[in-house]
Amino acid sequence: DAKTTQPPSMDCAEGRAANLPCNHSTISGNEYVYWYRQIHSQGPQYIIHGLKNNETNEMASLIITEDRKSSTLILPHATLRDTAVYYCIVRASYDKVIFGPGTSLSVIP
Amino acid sequence: EAQVTQNPRYLITVTGKKLTVTCSQNMNHEYMSWYRQDPGLGLRQIYYSMNVEVTDKGDVPEGYKVSRKEKRNFPLILESPSPNQTSLYFCASSSRDRGTEAFFGQGTRLTVV
Repeated sequence: DAKTTQPPSMDCAEGRAANLPCNHSTISGNEYVYWYRQIHSQGPQYIIHGLKNNETNEMASLIITEDRKSSTLILPHATLRDTAVYYCIVRASYDKVIFGPGTSLSVIP
Repeated sequence: EAQVTQNPRYLITVTGKKLTVTCSQNMNHEYMSWYRQDPGLGLRQIYYSMNVEVTDKGDVPEGYKVSRKEKRNFPLILESPSPNQTSLYFCASSSRDRGTEAFFGQGTRLTVV
């Protein structure tokens, strides 16, 4: 079973920030939080990951709570091309990637 | 460019006709795996390999074989395909280093009639 819980769907207005939450209350100390997205039936695309600290890259920001039991992926200015299923995954190195149902994000014009 | 390449992208075959889906990565990754994705069931791992000549079953290995003779290649073999193996297949690879991401191929859509 997936170690994470995400809302099944969310809407976001184009140009606004999309904030996608994830709960991972049983995360272990050596597990990272990863975010992937899947656009239609393409291969899952890596977005960002972190261990304890907040992270930012050209695609998104990742905010991890101090107790590491939850996190939020932020897409700062959502576009129509960000419409996808977003997966939050906790994983140590060498582990298989366990996908839950994810959050289906719809960016609305 | 770092990538995982699967071939073919689309395949329609008949029940019982052996087929191989190839997967190749150019990142010198130790870990490679195969997933299948079905509506309502999400992505499920079929087989994985932690290095050359080391393979193990994932969650849904029945009806599949794999081999890892070279580090870069991890083919998925269906000896006698059946209609319930109609699915979207993804290959993935990753490094053994902590905190590194997994890279996925673009998928192979297989239809068995």
